[in-house]
Amino acid sequence: GDSVTQTEGLVTLTEGLPVMLNCTYQTIYSNPFLFWYVQHLNESPRLLLKSFTDNKRTEHQGFHATLHKSSSSFHLQKSSAQLSDSALYYCALEATGGNNKLTFGQGTVLSVIP
Amino acid sequence: NTKITQSPRYLILGRANKSLECEQHLGHNAMYWYKQSAEKPPELMFLYNLKQLIRNETVPSRFIPECPDSSKLLLHISAVDPEDSAVYFCASSLRDNNQAPLFGEGTRLSVL
Repeated sequence: GDSVTQTEGLVTLTEGLPVMLNCTYQTIYSNPFLFWYVQHLNESPRLLLKSFTDNKRTEHQGFHATLHKSSSSFHLQKSSAQLSDSALYYCALEATGGNNKLTFGQGTVLSVIP
Repeated sequence: NTKITQSPRYLILGRANKSLECEQHLGHNAMYWYKQSAEKPPELMFLYNLKQLIRNETVPSRFIPECPDSSKLLLHISAVDPEDSAVYFCASSLRDNNQAPLFGEGTRLSVL
């Protein structure tokens, strides 16, 4: 079945440093959709980025990611971390075929400290 | 997110029956129930498209979904179990556009 693997556990960064959260996936489908969701404490997951185009950078709210089908990756990056970026980040995969089932990774907690 | 409303927001139950409600006015044709247990990612329970149940993941039979119209979704729970303690999110999307699900605020269920 489909699976998503993310940077494990907790990533702690000092404010102003670059952010990189890893995401790799496995699927038999050749045209998957990849998503990043962010979930702040006691809130619902909110879509941050999405992509289905190979090697095209997608950006939103200072974050960016590029889907690389050759390496099955969709890493989340930001040039400079802010305190407000502290949250739980999920990478998710939807295989094509319109089944609309998101397969989530286990999540990565990002903690940005002053 | 105030575009998908869920009620109640908090629920504390013994072994009772209760229904969770969800409504969206976004014109979305797909509606979902997700369960998020502590420190775990959301897990799909049910997916409706145009009021038809098209995905029914492995969920205990005490959970029964209902979609009375394309903008409303219900989750009936009977004789809850402690393992049911979780946040239940309703979500919706435009299925044909491969749009990512938009999540509601969730109902936090605590089973005594």
